[in-house]
Amino acid sequence: GNSVTQMEGPVTLSEEAFLTINCTYTATGYPSLFWYVQYPGEGLQLLLKATKADDKGSNKGFEATYRKETTSFHLEKGSVQVSDSAVYFCALSDSGGGADGLTFGKGTHLIIQP
Amino acid sequence: GAVVSQHPSWVICKSGTSVKIECRSLDFQATTMFWYRQFPKQSLMLMATSNEGSKATYEQGVEKDKFLINHASLTLSTLTVTSAHPEDSSFYICSARGPGHYEQYFGPGTRLTVT
Repeated sequence: GNSVTQMEGPVTLSEEAFLTINCTYTATGYPSLFWYVQYPGEGLQLLLKATKADDKGSNKGFEATYRKETTSFHLEKGSVQVSDSAVYFCALSDSGGGADGLTFGKGTHLIIQP
Repeated sequence: GAVVSQHPSWVICKSGTSVKIECRSLDFQATTMFWYRQFPKQSLMLMATSNEGSKATYEQGVEKDKFLINHASLTLSTLTVTSAHPEDSSFYICSARGPGHYEQYFGPGTRLTVT
């Protein structure tokens, strides 16, 4: 079956530091890949996605590239802000774009200190 | 736009009783809704998928008689945990998807504690 593995947190960084959150996956076929973010007290929000190999998803300064050869979708940001503090989930879907239910990683709690 | 709400946000019930959780799409018609369950420090696990007007499709290992899902309208789905036990204590999250759209919009979740 499908699975997603992401680095466990919490990850604590200083403001303006470079961020990488690793995510690798196991899936049959060609899944779509997603990063979701959950701010305290709120529902998960789609941060970015990629639907095929070598696609790069980007949003709000965050980027992730769909690497089929390494089955990875690492999340990066060049300069984090305190407002980026949240829980980040890597996820995949067998169907294009996420029409079906998603398979999630465990989530990574990111803490940005001023 | 694309707001999904859940009610209640948290609930405590006694063992053996049933509890209903509502998931509403506030500004769009949700033809498909998903129910997930999250244990502490664990990933969200898909429980079931429901299409409006149809019976829900449950994931392997999820008891359909225990977790009753109803999706009777395009804006409301309910999850009823029947004869709840302490091991059913968890965080339940719904998501909704509109017609012709692939993105799922998530509710804020419901914390269920069974004593």
